[in-house]
Amino acid sequence: QKEVEQNSGPLSVPEGAIASLNCTYSDRVSQSFFWYRQYSGKSPELIMSIYSNGDKEDGRFTAQLNKASQYVSLLIRDSQPSDSATYLCAVMAWDAGNMLTFGGGTRLMVKP
Amino acid sequence: KAGVTQTPRYLIKTRGQQVTLSCSPISGHRSVSWYQQTPGQGLQFLFEYFSETQRNKGNFPGRFSGRQFSNSRSEMNVSTLELGDSALYLCASSLDGTDNTEAFFGQGTRLTVV
Repeated sequence: QKEVEQNSGPLSVPEGAIASLNCTYSDRVSQSFFWYRQYSGKSPELIMSIYSNGDKEDGRFTAQLNKASQYVSLLIRDSQPSDSATYLCAVMAWDAGNMLTFGGGTRLMVKP
Repeated sequence: KAGVTQTPRYLIKTRGQQVTLSCSPISGHRSVSWYQQTPGQGLQFLFEYFSETQRNKGNFPGRFSGRQFSNSRSEMNVSTLELGDSALYLCASSLDGTDNTEAFFGQGTRLTVV
């Protein structure tokens, strides 16, 4: 049973701060990792993908992957109120086609 | 470039009826996956189609089925609807079946079963 765990939150940070979102997964064959942002009543929007150990930066977002620890995180620098949303971690295993296994999501609140 | 299009956006059905949802993937994408999202269970994988073949299936009853056409458009069908089928149904489009393929979601179909 593949599992992806996230703290449900809410995680509250002040505007301009760094928001740190964490995700752990249980399946060692997981090889692709994704972060999605979902606003209330909307569909998930892909914001980052990461496949290799280390950091990957894209604008204000940095994804970090540690396969040995089965841990992936997302850092949001200079957080804005518009970043307030639920962030979903998703993993894909090499033997599962394009099937994504999602965590329950972390609700982020950025306060002005 | 057009995104993933799902129709209809909203549906209200009665228990026992059946429903068909449609998904048009991003142009050039050959893989279509379907997910169910509920407050209690989160996002759960239903099935994936690639080149008109079901490649993977989640842990849902046989009332949930799907298909993919030669133009990569996909439909999913739910028969004998139950109240618990009320959910947001999401379609995700991916380029192909290789590793490290990003999936992009449509706006979803909100199904309410009464």
